Amino acid sequence: TQLLEQSPQFLSIQEGENLTVYCNSSSVFSSLQWYRQEPGEGPVLLVTVVTGGEVKKLKRLTFQFGDARKDSSLHITAAQPGDTGLYLCAGARGGSNYKLTFGKGTLLTVNP
Amino acid sequence: DVKVTQSSRYLVKRTGEKVFLECVQDMDHENMFWYRQDPGLGLRLIYFSYDVKMKEKGDIPEGYSVSREKKERFSLILESASTNQTSMYLCASSLSQGFDEQYFGPGTRLTVT
Repeated sequence: TQLLEQSPQFLSIQEGENLTVYCNSSSVFSSLQWYRQEPGEGPVLLVTVVTGGEVKKLKRLTFQFGDARKDSSLHITAAQPGDTGLYLCAGARGGSNYKLTFGKGTLLTVNP
Repeated sequence: DVKVTQSSRYLVKRTGEKVFLECVQDMDHENMFWYRQDPGLGLRLIYFSYDVKMKEKGDIPEGYSVSREKKERFSLILESASTNQTSMYLCASSLSQGFDEQYFGPGTRLTVT
């Protein structure tokens, strides 16, 4: 059973466009993390959200945790080629915060 | 900066061979993890360790074992490699329980022929 569903699976856009990727679940998570993975490398953490309704901004990236802590979104404004990569969400369940469940990822390509 | 290193970036082994994948972290982290990453399946947890000599099975432990004799080192062992174990293997570490980020190594792309 896939606990975290990410959509879309693939996204190809032009430089300067805005985009949103989603991470949805029927389960409640105590925290949710977003990672970006570039080809040939391991994932790197972008942000952790903990509180329902929380919004965090990282330059042109905006992350939101759903009120019920079952879903999250990542919005990128004015995408650049350097944003290209695989975006992964990962949720921690209560009682085992060090063990994460990963979504399958959204592969983003930003064309110049 | 935390550094997680993996012994090989690319590895080619034959069916039936015993394979050792090594992972070392340099930040005194309590927890270490082994994942495999396959197209369409995402990252799946194989094993993790929350202390020296302590280990727990993840979601797909069959065909794998692990060893953690020292805090900084976590080894993944394929007792008898099979072609369906061809994959990207990622090691990660995190400081302790809580909302700590996991720091990943660059991965080992293992091909079993």
